[in-house]
Amino acid sequence: NAGVMQNPRHLVRRRGQEARLRCSPMKGHSHVYWYRQLPEEGLKFMVYLQKENIIDESGMPKERFSAEFPKEGPSILRIQQVVRGDSAAYFCASSPNYSTETQYFGPGTRLLVL
Amino acid sequence: RKEVEQDPGPFNVPEGATVAFNCTYSNSASQSFFWYRQDCRKEPKLLMSVYSSGNEDGRFTAQLNRASQYISLLIRDSKLSDSATYLCVVYTGTASKLTFGTGTRLQVTL
Repeated sequence: NAGVMQNPRHLVRRRGQEARLRCSPMKGHSHVYWYRQLPEEGLKFMVYLQKENIIDESGMPKERFSAEFPKEGPSILRIQQVVRGDSAAYFCASSPNYSTETQYFGPGTRLLVL
Repeated sequence: RKEVEQDPGPFNVPEGATVAFNCTYSNSASQSFFWYRQDCRKEPKLLMSVYSSGNEDGRFTAQLNRASQYISLLIRDSKLSDSATYLCVVYTGTASKLTFGTGTRLQVTL
C-alpha cells in the first residue's frame, strides 16, 4: 500500500512563474491537507480538502494560492506569480474517513524561488 | 502567543542519557495530542499519541496534563538514531487540522 505521494520533490521557479504541486493520497483516503514549512519554522496548516470540496482554507494566503482535489487525479496546490518568500517545503497529508486526526504525510515538495 | 510552544533546543545529550521535552498549548478545546519526529529535510512521522493516563512505547513515554495544557515526552537510554527534531502536535476536531509546534531539536552524541 503506497503512502502519500508528492511530486515533484524539488521545484525551482523564477519570480513571477507559476508553481504546481501535486499530491496523491494513500489508497482509500479521501481527505487531503496541505501544510507549509518555512525555513527554521514549524509546519503551518494551509488547506483541507475532500474530493471536489474545499473544507477549510483558513491557512491559505489570500492571493496567488489555490488548491483543488478533483474527482479524478491528485490534489493540486497552485501558486501563481511566485515570490522569494514562497520558498519552503510543502507537505501534503491524507487521512481516512473515520479519523481525520490520523494524518499521514508525504515526502514534501521543496520549492525554491530564485 | 503561539498555539503550541516548545523549547527549540538544541538538546545535546550523550548516548544512554534520559532526556525530556515539554510543550504547552493554548487552545483548551484541543482534543488529541501527538508527538511527531522529523528528520532533517524529511516529512514528519508520527511517534506516538499522548493520553492523560500517559502512554509508553519502549524507551518513549508521553504524558498529557489537560489542566495545565502541558504535554511531555521522555526518552530513556538515548540512541544516536534518536537525533531528530521532535514536534509537539495538537488536533482540534472542529477544524480537522493539526497544529504543530516549531519543534525541539535533539542531538545524541557518542
